[in-house]
Amino acid sequence: QQQVKQSPQSLIVQKGGISIINCAYENTAFDYFPWYQQFPGKGPALLIAIRPDVSEKKEGRFTISFNKSAKQFSLHIMDSQPGDSATYFCAASRAGANNLFFGTGTRLTVIP
Amino acid sequence: NAGVTQTPKFRVLKTGQSMTLLCAQDMNHEYMYWYRQDPGMGLRLIHYSVGEGTTAKGEVPDGYNVSRLKKQNFLLGLESAAPSQTSVYFCASRILGQVYNEQFFGPGTRLTVL
Repeated sequence: QQQVKQSPQSLIVQKGGISIINCAYENTAFDYFPWYQQFPGKGPALLIAIRPDVSEKKEGRFTISFNKSAKQFSLHIMDSQPGDSATYFCAASRAGANNLFFGTGTRLTVIP
Repeated sequence: NAGVTQTPKFRVLKTGQSMTLLCAQDMNHEYMYWYRQDPGMGLRLIHYSVGEGTTAKGEVPDGYNVSRLKKQNFLLGLESAAPSQTSVYFCASRILGQVYNEQFFGPGTRLTVL
C-alpha cells in the first residue's frame, strides 16, 4: 500500500512557467514532508522540506504548500528553467522514525 | 568528503548468480539504507541499519540480505538473482540524533538480471 500518493507521473512545462506537483498521505502521524530532486544518473538529493506547523515554505523559486486538514502537500516551481528538468519525489516521515515513505515520482521536463 | 559512494555502478547477472553491492559513507552517519528504484514505483526500502552490527527489514526485503560490519559500510547481497531484481539500487545514510529524517543518497547501481 502506497503511503504517499504523488501526481502527475510526468509533467511538461514551458520555460518561465509554473510547475506544480501534488502529494497526498493518509497517516496523520507524519510530521515531516521533504521533496527530493533527482537528475538522470544521480541519486536523489533533498530539495526542500516542511513541517506541519507552517502552511508554506519558500526557498528561492521552490515553494511547498501544505494543507494539514486535506492531508496534501505540493511543490511549486516558479519561473521553471530547463535546468529544473529532473524527477521529483515527495516523501513523508514522522519524528524519530527510522525511514521515509516516498511517492512514486514525477518526471518534469521544462522546454525552452 | 566523498559522501555516499556505491560500487559497482553497473552490473549484469544471469539468473541464479549471486553478488554483493557495496555502500560506503565518510560522514560518520549511524543510519544507512538500501532502496530499489523501479519505474512508476518510486523508491522502496529494502533493508536498513541503525548502527554497526544491526540491520532491519524494510518494505521489500525478500531475496536480499545485508550486513553492517563496519560503521562506514553497508553491504547488500543477492544470493540467487532473479529477473524481478532488475532495478537501480540506491544507498543512503543519515546522522544519528536528527529528529527529522534527512537522508543523503549515493549515485546508484544499475543491476540487470537476465
